[in-house]
Amino acid sequence: NAGVTQTPKFQVLKTGQSMTLQCAQDMNHEYMSWYRQDPGMGLRLIHYSVGAGITDQGEVPNGYNVSRSTTEDFPLRLLSAAPSQTSVYFCASSYVGQGYNSPLHFGNGTRLTVT
Amino acid sequence: QKEVEQDPGPLSVPEGAIVSLNCTYSNSAFQYFMWYRQYSRKGPELLMYTYSSGNKEDGRFTAQVDKSSKYISLFIRDSQPSDSATYLCAMTEASGTYKYIFGTGTRLKVLA
Repeated sequence: NAGVTQTPKFQVLKTGQSMTLQCAQDMNHEYMSWYRQDPGMGLRLIHYSVGAGITDQGEVPNGYNVSRSTTEDFPLRLLSAAPSQTSVYFCASSYVGQGYNSPLHFGNGTRLTVT
Repeated sequence: QKEVEQDPGPLSVPEGAIVSLNCTYSNSAFQYFMWYRQYSRKGPELLMYTYSSGNKEDGRFTAQVDKSSKYISLFIRDSQPSDSATYLCAMTEASGTYKYIFGTGTRLKVLA
C-alpha cells in the first residue's frame, strides 16, 4: 500500500537552479496539495488541485509552479531556487467527499537545501 | 493572531502518564478537526478525525472538541516511549473550501 510517494527524499540546489519535486498517489484522491514545513511556522499551503487540469494557489505560492495532468501525479516546480526556499516539502492528498472535507494523507517529504 | 495556536512544548512525561495536548482556534467556521503524529524526518500521520463537538476514542487516544470554547484536545493514556513525536492539530471548514489550517505542533517526549 504505497499511499503518497515523494521523490527525491533529499536535494541540494544552488541559487538560481530549477528542479521538480515529484508526488504520486495511488488512492484515487481528487485533492492533492503541496505544503512547506519550516521551524516555528508549521505547515503552509503552497498550491493545491481538486482534479486533473485544475490548480489553485495557497498561502505561499510565489516561486513555485504546479500542474495536474493526471489524477495520480502532482509535481511541484521551482523555477529559480532561492535560499528562502530551503525547507521540507510535503505532498498531501485526500478524497473529495460529498458534503465533508476528508483528512489529508501525507508523503514522507523532500528535504531541500538551497545554497 | 494565528488562526490556530498550539503550545510548542517540548513536553516530557514518564512512561505510563496521561498526556494532554491542546489547540485553540479563532475561526468559528471550522467544522472538521484532526490530530496528526509526526516522527522525526517523516510525514504527518493521521491519528484522529472528528466532526463538530464531542469526543472520539481510538485505543489509547481520545480526541475532544469544544466548539463553544474553540478548543480541541488529544489525550494519550498509558503513554509509551514510542509515542515520542511531534503532534499537530489541524482543522478545516465546511466541504468545498479545501482550506486546512495546522498548528505548529507540540513535541512530546515519553521517558522510559
